Amino acid sequence: EDQVTQSPEALRLQEGESSSLNCSYTVSGLRGLFWYRQDPGKGPEFLFTLYSAGEEKEKERLKATLTKKESFLHITAPKPEDSATYLCAVQAVGYGGATNKLIFGTGTLLAVQP
Amino acid sequence: EAQVTQNPRYLITVTGKKLTVTCSQNMNHEYMSWYRQDPGLGLRQIYYSMNVEVTDKGDVPEGYKVSRKEKRNFPLILESPSPNQTSLYFCASSPAWSEQFFGPGTRLTVL
Repeated sequence: EDQVTQSPEALRLQEGESSSLNCSYTVSGLRGLFWYRQDPGKGPEFLFTLYSAGEEKEKERLKATLTKKESFLHITAPKPEDSATYLCAVQAVGYGGATNKLIFGTGTLLAVQP
Repeated sequence: EAQVTQNPRYLITVTGKKLTVTCSQNMNHEYMSWYRQDPGLGLRQIYYSMNVEVTDKGDVPEGYKVSRKEKRNFPLILESPSPNQTSLYFCASSPAWSEQFFGPGTRLTVL
């Protein structure tokens, strides 16, 4: 069964304290792995797409990496405005080709204190 | 402005009273999806559509209906809502096999 697991469930950091969020996945065929940011009461906001092991993407203080079994979202010198829930999702290759089905993890709630 | 809109944003209703949540996107995307988000369960896909008149079930389709008569609109219909459908609902759209753009959400309470 396709599955996505994120850890930790919650993370509290001091401003400037770098850390990483983990997303491990089990899927029959991976088409893509997505990272989203979700602020309270809002819809998820797209951050990155990763397609193959070894791929890396960066945006400001965030860097996403991908292996064959997991992805990491590294946060360097975070600021309070980085506080949010970070969601990981995988898109599986279905029968007959790619699907638009996304399987989400339950997210990591990040709090960055000044 | 490129966006996905949902209406209503908040809805309180009673068991059995049919309701429709509308979703519209102005980005000419082929793909649209509906999700529900519940504490501890994350986002789960209800239905998705790959184009006009093409829809398919996601992980939790029971109790929901959808239609895609126009490319820009993808309404979610609850024919006979029940309390276990109380949730936060998101509509999303995307170009083919790509990242999805989410609407602002609809918070539904079924009494």
